[in-house]
Amino acid sequence: DAGVTQSPTHLIKTRGQQVTLRCSPKSGHDTVSWYQQALGQGPQFIFQYYEEEERQRGNFPDRFSGHQFPNYSSELNVNALLLGDSALYLCASSLGAWFQFFGPGTRLTVL
Amino acid sequence: AQTVTQSQPEMSVQEAETVTLSCTYDTSESDYYLFWYKQPPSRQMILVIRQEAYKQQNATENRFSVNFQKAAKSFSLKISDSQLGDAAMYFCAYRNSDVGTSYGKLTFGQGTILTVHP
Repeated sequence: DAGVTQSPTHLIKTRGQQVTLRCSPKSGHDTVSWYQQALGQGPQFIFQYYEEEERQRGNFPDRFSGHQFPNYSSELNVNALLLGDSALYLCASSLGAWFQFFGPGTRLTVL
Repeated sequence: AQTVTQSQPEMSVQEAETVTLSCTYDTSESDYYLFWYKQPPSRQMILVIRQEAYKQQNATENRFSVNFQKAAKSFSLKISDSQLGDAAMYFCAYRNSDVGTSYGKLTFGQGTILTVHP
């Protein structure tokens, strides 16, 4: 049983570019949450997707958007990248609002 | 809004000894969940232990146990017989139990880096 998977592992972009990160949830899970973890900090909640809709959102600008597909996989899109967007992006999946399992993360570096 | 505070940026322990990591939180809710997650250099966030606020008994998972003081809003993690593999960043996290409003969103502390010396 595969756990939560994320791609790519690492990504380097320049300011102003756009990026898409991908997440496949654990088998049987229907909910995907995204978190941003700056270096040396705890993860911060970005948003959560359930039934292909954004169900809850943290304190992040509209440059951060997402999508959930019918197979429950999800994408996180960030537009107009800033240096401050450099972070580890974690995806977590769950069955509804039940306990979350995390993926290994995508390390985004913005130059 | 709920907040989680970990006041120890770094801790160290000798192999086979015991160490306690501290966490305090703030909430107006009466029912909630608390978690300790471990994040090794591989970056994978691993659930170590969880505690339901309505349970008075402290949770235990093998060498890991918690001291949950609801009135003091304190939730510490004790690691007994520390092993080299315990070295990691440890995060305390909070979640409302009312899934109708929180949808399971986790609020994390800043983390504590644990070093284990052989």
